[in-house]
Amino acid sequence: DTAVSQTPKYLVTQMGNDKSIKCEQNLGHDTMYWYKQDSKKFLKIMFSYNNKELIINETVPNRFSPKSPDKAHLNLHINSLELGDSAVYFCASSQAGIVQPQHFGDGTRLSIL
Amino acid sequence: GENVEQHPSTLSVQEGDSAVIKCTYSDSASNYFPWYKQELGKGPQLIIDIRSNVGEKKDQRIAVTLNKTAKHFSLHITETQPEDSAVYFCAAKTGGNTPLVFGKGTRLSVIA
Repeated sequence: DTAVSQTPKYLVTQMGNDKSIKCEQNLGHDTMYWYKQDSKKFLKIMFSYNNKELIINETVPNRFSPKSPDKAHLNLHINSLELGDSAVYFCASSQAGIVQPQHFGDGTRLSIL
Repeated sequence: GENVEQHPSTLSVQEGDSAVIKCTYSDSASNYFPWYKQELGKGPQLIIDIRSNVGEKKDQRIAVTLNKTAKHFSLHITETQPEDSAVYFCAAKTGGNTPLVFGKGTRLSVIA
């Protein structure tokens, strides 16, 4: 009964490669997010989608491209991976509305060799 | 934009004692303040939240207080247990399509 699920849980790849992380939520939420957590545990928003429409795009290199095929899925594609992309990436979702709790997945640990 | 400061960065308490984590925020328009607990290898889990029209909220051993004038809010955990050991994050958000801004986290260790 996983609410927000991400795959894969671990991703180890070479610099310069392209990779994708998938996220699915079964909570019926309208809004989904991608966060990056660095080695110091700092959590920062990357993107937010509401009903498949991009609503938040923080200062993220355009090598990162979110894709939302439907409101239950928000995938993250990363081109030309760099060493600095190594981090844990979290997907989250919430109901639409002014202030609604966000529910997080268990993260994808991306390691760039 | 919003900036959230969180203290302390690490906290060790004896089992049964209380733990307090404090956060300040910069944007007076912020009106939603959640607290998350993150265990090793897991995603952040919401443990309690408070909205700006409320000064205090309690859920069993966990309570959160909000002082809008001073722009700070705190998490209080009473009767701590070893399973409370984790990293705790505060966050703040204004209305509309604005991001949830997190503090840098507090690593809480409860010593049995």
